[in-house]
Amino acid sequence: DADVTQTPRNRITKTGKRIMLECSQTKGHDRMYWYRQDPGLGLRLIYYSFDVKDINKGEISDGYSVSRQAQAKFSLSLESAIPNQTALYFCATSDPGVRTDTQYFGPGTRLTVL
Amino acid sequence: DAKTTQPNSMESNEEEPVHLPCNHSTISGTDYIHWYRQLPSQGPEYVIHGLTSNVNNRMASLAIAEDRKSSTLILHRATLRDAAVYYCILRDGDAGGTSYGKLTFGQGTILTVHP
Repeated sequence: DADVTQTPRNRITKTGKRIMLECSQTKGHDRMYWYRQDPGLGLRLIYYSFDVKDINKGEISDGYSVSRQAQAKFSLSLESAIPNQTALYFCATSDPGVRTDTQYFGPGTRLTVL
Repeated sequence: DAKTTQPNSMESNEEEPVHLPCNHSTISGTDYIHWYRQLPSQGPEYVIHGLTSNVNNRMASLAIAEDRKSSTLILHRATLRDAAVYYCILRDGDAGGTSYGKLTFGQGTILTVHP
């Protein structure tokens, strides 16, 4: 079983709809992240959480919100989706107790906003 | 955030070594050099990291310049499965810093491996 899972894997929605992307992990890591990737570009950080009570904005948080329901779950919401939020979204986790603080990524969610 | 500069693309033949360069002239003393790669239709995966000394693991080697302003990821024998986008990233290791623990991805280097 995958250590970091994302649901749904693909989603097509319409402008103005509320969308939630979910991320679950079985690695026991405290830190979780949400990134988006646009075609031909690297990943950009949307939000990150260093523990259940800690939520921080990344470089492109406008139009997004997050919820850290438990250590293992971190959800990303688009309150009112718009076409330029069409992108590939990745969740990641890391363990600060490990010196490398390596990030482990999920398989991604492809979101299309019409 | 400290930035990195990588070539947009590189090509290699299968079973030949590949040297992927990265420039990071504004690196600070607490920045770790990380490499991730992203295979087609997958999330990024960790490859290797280092601070000052050269590093080896089962996937690759990392050669770090003495002044730390550049580094090179070395794949000793490229395979078709190594075709991916390779990202060189500086990670702030200063626990008191505002960017501590975060990764900032650039556009990376697209590596094509020919049979």
